[in-house]
Amino acid sequence: DTGVSQDPRHKITKRGQNVTFRCDPISEHNRLYWYRQTLGQGPEFLTYFQNEAQLEKSRLLSDRFSAERPKGSFSTLEIQRTEQGDSAMYLCARGQGTNTGELFFGEGSRLTVL
Amino acid sequence: AQSVSQHNHHVILSEAASLELGCNYSYGGTVNLFWYVQYPGQHLQLLLKYFSGDPLVKGIKGFEAEFIKSKFSFNLRKPSVQWSDTAEYYCAVTTNAGNMLTFGGGTRLMVKP
Repeated sequence: DTGVSQDPRHKITKRGQNVTFRCDPISEHNRLYWYRQTLGQGPEFLTYFQNEAQLEKSRLLSDRFSAERPKGSFSTLEIQRTEQGDSAMYLCARGQGTNTGELFFGEGSRLTVL
Repeated sequence: AQSVSQHNHHVILSEAASLELGCNYSYGGTVNLFWYVQYPGQHLQLLLKYFSGDPLVKGIKGFEAEFIKSKFSFNLRKPSVQWSDTAEYYCAVTTNAGNMLTFGGGTRLMVKP
C-alpha cells in the first residue's frame, strides 16, 4: 500500500469531453505531485503542490489542464476538451522523506481518448 | 534542464545471470539519483537512492548502483537475477533547481526461469 489512492483507475472518453481525476493521499502530506506516463516512456512531471499551493507547473500542462488541491489534502486534475494525445496514465505521488525525489506513487488513472 | 538516458530499452536474461542497466544524466550541478521499479501490474516504487557520500549504494532485493560523477552515470547492478526481478526499471534525477523528478525512458527487464 503506497498510501495514495487514485480514482477512477480507468477512464474512456470521446475526444472533446472533459475528464477529472482525483488523488487521495492516505494522510495529509505536504508534497503532492502529478505525472503523466505514455506507453513506452518514463513518467513526465506535470505539477507539484506544497500543501494547497501549486508551486510548479510543467510546460506540458497546457491551458486545457488544471490541477487543484483545495485544502491541502486530496487533489484533482482536470483535462478539458480532451484530445487523443492526452491518452496516457496519470500518476499521483506523495512525497516521502525530505528529498523531492523520494515519492510514493499511486497506481494511476489510465485515460483513453477515442 | 536535466535529462536522463537509459540506453537499454529491453533486456532479457536467464535466472542467475548478472545484471547491469545503464543510466546517464545530463546536468552540470549537484544531483540526487534514483532507481525506481515497476513490477507487472503494480505501482512505481523506489528501489534505491543516492544523495551524497559513498558512491556505491545498496537498495532492496540485492540491487546496488554506482554513481560515477566523471561519467555522469548511475548504473544499476545485481549479481544474480531472479525471475521475480522481471519489471520495468527507471532511472531518475532531481537537482537543487526544482521540485521535479526527471525520469529516463525505462528499461524492460525480462528474466527467464
